[in-house]
Amino acid sequence: DQQVKQNSPSLSVQEGRISILNCDYTNSMFDYFLWYKKYPAEGPTFLISISSIKDKNEDGRFTVFLNKSAKHLSLHIVPSQPGDSAVYFCAASEGNQFYFGTGTSLTVIP
Amino acid sequence: DVKVTQSSRYLVKRTGEKVFLECVQDMDHENMFWYRQDPGLGLRLIYFSYDVKMKEKGDIPEGYSVSREKKERFSLILESASTNQTSMYLCASSLMGQSTGTFGSGTRLTVV
Repeated sequence: DQQVKQNSPSLSVQEGRISILNCDYTNSMFDYFLWYKKYPAEGPTFLISISSIKDKNEDGRFTVFLNKSAKHLSLHIVPSQPGDSAVYFCAASEGNQFYFGTGTSLTVIP
Repeated sequence: DVKVTQSSRYLVKRTGEKVFLECVQDMDHENMFWYRQDPGLGLRLIYFSYDVKMKEKGDIPEGYSVSREKKERFSLILESASTNQTSMYLCASSLMGQSTGTFGSGTRLTVV
């Protein structure tokens, strides 16, 4: 059973606008949440993370929000750029093990 | 920068063959992981290892085994490859207690 879910397989956004990628999880024991970005034919690269004791973490154009009561996290990218077009995976960890979502393919239209 | 190297980018094997996928990391990480990535299923954990000669099953270990004889190397073995093992295989490593992992570039395996 998928413990981390990304219900939107794809998202298209105009350049300069905000991209919002969503992720839901079921395990309340997860203590760390991450977003990875993946280009075709490359491995995922770490983008941004948030500890379960926080509700927001910001790094430049990227902000991750965590709502523990709803077991929901989201990644905001603003402003979106064409180079942001990639597949985004959210992940949650318990101890040393990571659980990944199914990914959302973001296309930023110039 | 941590580097995780997977020996092959593309591999084509026949059904029934024994297949070895190799992964090497150069930053003395304790943890190493093997995932497979399939459309609509995301990254699924096959096996992971916390230390040399230690291994733990992930979510989908059936049809796979692993070997970790040295800290820097984690091998994934398909004992008898089948067509449903056609996939992108990703290796990752991390420090003990660190929540972020570093991934290799992946091996696209096709079993015919």
